[in-house]
Amino acid sequence: QAQLTQSGAEVKKPGASVKLSCKASGFAFTSYVLHWVRQAPGQRLEWLGWINSANGHTKYSQQFQGRVSITRDTSSNTLHMDMSDLTSEDTALYYCARGVLGASLYYIDVWGTGAMVTVSS
Amino acid sequence: DIVMTQSPATLSVSPGEGATLSCRASQSISTHVAWYLQKPGQPPRLLIYDASTRATGIPARFSGSGSGTEFTLTISSLQSEDFAVYYCQQYNIWPLIFGGGTKVEI
Repeated sequence: QAQLTQSGAEVKKPGASVKLSCKASGFAFTSYVLHWVRQAPGQRLEWLGWINSANGHTKYSQQFQGRVSITRDTSSNTLHMDMSDLTSEDTALYYCARGVLGASLYYIDVWGTGAMVTVSS
Repeated sequence: DIVMTQSPATLSVSPGEGATLSCRASQSISTHVAWYLQKPGQPPRLLIYDASTRATGIPARFSGSGSGTEFTLTISSLQSEDFAVYYCQQYNIWPLIFGGGTKVEI
């Protein structure tokens, strides 16, 4: 079945960058768009952006534009997310997720295992 | 950005009883709403999409309704595995936005 397996937890200092990875299996990687969504402790889910795995086209939430970069490696079916200039407000559980085109845009039908990012001095 | 407001924040229900969860959008989003269930320590799981279509493998006790700005998730008879946090999500326009969640507790 479709699975998204994420890299492990990260601890970073303020101002640093982090790169997260997400390996897809069990489905045709280039047939889907893939998203990154985060969840700070006790907070709602927050969408960061997505990538079209077939052509590499990306779209980001305006809140994260310029600070987040999503890429993919079709040879290894792996998704990456780079986030720069980290602050304590970026402390959260980060999910990769598979998007399905609904009647308008995308809902999510498969979620990754999650990777905790802690930003602390 | 669209704001998705869920109510109530917490719902206390006995097993076997029904539950009705609400989600309101700050502007019309047609039927472009999904519902997810999240248990502690787990990622969310898709329940409903296009406001009323159950995802693969989701039991018939879960149903969704609504259009425009008002949406409802109904659980007809709560089972032990249904006690969790439920989120709605709009996908009518960018950015994708989630509601704040409703915790369904025993």
